[in-house]
Amino acid sequence: DAGVTQSPTHLIKTRGQQVTLRCSPKSGHDTVSWYQQALGQGPQFIFQYYEEEERQRGNFPDRFSGHQFPNYSSELNVNALLLGDSALYLCASSFGTGTFNQPQHFGDGTRLSIL
Amino acid sequence: KNEVEQSPQNLTAQEGEFITINCSYSVGISALHWLQQHPGGGIVSLFMLSSGKKKHGRLIATINIQEKHSSLHITASHPRDSAVYICAVRPSGGGADGLTFGKGTHLIIQP
Repeated sequence: DAGVTQSPTHLIKTRGQQVTLRCSPKSGHDTVSWYQQALGQGPQFIFQYYEEEERQRGNFPDRFSGHQFPNYSSELNVNALLLGDSALYLCASSFGTGTFNQPQHFGDGTRLSIL
Repeated sequence: KNEVEQSPQNLTAQEGEFITINCSYSVGISALHWLQQHPGGGIVSLFMLSSGKKKHGRLIATINIQEKHSSLHITASHPRDSAVYICAVRPSGGGADGLTFGKGTHLIIQP
């Protein structure tokens, strides 16, 4: 039973570029949430996708966008990268929309470095 | 002020000791999660609580809704328990903020 998988594991970009991160949820899960974790900090909620729509969003600018596909996998896109976007980006899956009252299964994350 | 506060921030203990990590929050919640994060980033969900107490192996989690406080206990601690332990809450009231996380407690268990 595959857990949550994220790709790539590491990525280096320069300021102003665009990046796409990918997440495949745990088998049987239909909801994907994305988080940003700066070094030494707890994760911050970016947004959640269910039924191919963004259902909830944290306090992140429009440069952060996403998509969910019919197979429940998801992408996180960040445009016009800033140095402050350097972080570990975590994906978590669960079953059922808006249900942070369900256990969240996390991937190992994508470490994004902006030069 | 962070809505979720954890204490201590750092904890070093000897193998076998009983460990307690605390989490206090300032908002009404519908659920509280305890997570474990190992070096390199991977996060494992340990518990999800809305009331009372849960136990899994050597780990015990308790929550007091009235006092807005939760504790994570580790009995007979082992070096492999060394990790960052993170408390996260789901605010109640239908807000669209997802989970709110504490900054984590960095635990080191020495042999």
